[in-house]
Amino acid sequence: KNQVEQSPQSLIILEGKNCTLQCNYTVSPFSNLRWYKQDTGRGPVSLTIMTFSENTKSNGRYTATLDADTKQSSLHITASQLSDSASYICVVSLYGGSQGNLIFGKGTKLSVKP
Amino acid sequence: GAGVSQSPSNKVTEKGKDVELRCDPISGHTALYWYRQSLGQGLEFLIYFQGNSAPDKSGLPSDRFSAERTGGSVSTLTIQRTQQEDSAVYLCASSLTYQQETQYFGPGTRLLVL
Repeated sequence: KNQVEQSPQSLIILEGKNCTLQCNYTVSPFSNLRWYKQDTGRGPVSLTIMTFSENTKSNGRYTATLDADTKQSSLHITASQLSDSASYICVVSLYGGSQGNLIFGKGTKLSVKP
Repeated sequence: GAGVSQSPSNKVTEKGKDVELRCDPISGHTALYWYRQSLGQGLEFLIYFQGNSAPDKSGLPSDRFSAERTGGSVSTLTIQRTQQEDSAVYLCASSLTYQQETQYFGPGTRLLVL
């Protein structure tokens, strides 16, 4: 069964600290993996998209990694800011599939405290 | 417009009533997607449009749900005879083409069925 599991479910960190969010997937055939940030009451915003051949991709203080062999991805946030408080959603797409073949994780809710 | 817009932002309705949700995609985007996000759940794909046609309707939960897109722009999602389990945030997204490029999300419509 195609699934995307994210951990932890929620996380609280202090401003200025780093954190890493995990995403494990059992999606095949794999096309790409995306990380989205969703602020409360807003739609998701794309952070990174990685294909099979990409191991890492950065977007400012956000760095995503992908290990296609172990089917794991991580999102590392450096020097966290209060504005990083949001849900982070991992999405994996099936190769050759239609847009109906985007498999969404349930997200990790990150709270950054002052 | 600058981004994807949706209306209404909030909708409260009584069980059994019909509701219509509207999405205005980014100008020039040919692909448009509808998702549903229930409390504590990941995003659930409903339907997508390439132009005015909907190649993939596999995600619509029942025949009470329908969607249309006219002029390759605005789309409406209609839910007939609403049920309490229809309560969720309905998100619309658009992308330049349907080939799995970055999707830009609207803020969503929060539907509450009493």
